[in-house]
Amino acid sequence: GAVVSQHPSWVICKSGTSVKIECRSLDFQATTMFWYRQFPKQSLMLMATSNEGSKATYEQGVEKDKFLINHASLTLSTLTVTSAHPEDSSFYICSARDSRSDNYGYTFGSGTRLTVV
Amino acid sequence: QKEVEQNSGPLSVPEGAIASLNCTYSDRVSQSFFWYRQYSGKSPELIMSIYSNGDKEDGRFTAQLNKASQYVSLLIRDSQPSDSATYLCAVRYGGTSYGKLTFGQGTILTVHP
Repeated sequence: GAVVSQHPSWVICKSGTSVKIECRSLDFQATTMFWYRQFPKQSLMLMATSNEGSKATYEQGVEKDKFLINHASLTLSTLTVTSAHPEDSSFYICSARDSRSDNYGYTFGSGTRLTVV
Repeated sequence: QKEVEQNSGPLSVPEGAIASLNCTYSDRVSQSFFWYRQYSGKSPELIMSIYSNGDKEDGRFTAQLNKASQYVSLLIRDSQPSDSATYLCAVRYGGTSYGKLTFGQGTILTVHP
């Protein structure tokens, strides 16, 4: 089945700094990846759709200048949280769809727990 | 108005019983439906996908889809304590750009010994 690798699994950063999160599809090519954010006891909220070779599509209310997304290859998408603040502390999860088979559905990375202090 | 609705629970069932999880979705062109399980602190993992009306079985899990009534359900037979988790229903709507999923708020399931 499809495997999505996400790093780091957790990160603590100081307020005002930037953090980069990587998402890789290991055994398939993903022209599209999705970035979610999940706060405690809440469901997943889609932040943006990352498209290889083009600009990301952001959901309403998500600041594209704060959450920079780069999808430079068919297997790698990155999310950079710029000038992070404590309210950005959350669980960030990427996802990709393996188009080889509908049975694979959308596979999620293991997630990154970001804590901004 | 939310597009995917789930009862947040918690739903508590005894070990060995059948757990029934339900999900309704709004009246739009719907395409694909997914059930994910999420353990606390972990990312979601795919349990089942279903695309056509009717039942789809995989081991102890059965997904049921009724597009006319706009609901999709998940049955877990012989529930085990290890099934205790949050179950997320997700819908991929037809015509949605890049095939993004819309998630329900999740149902917390507790299976007690």
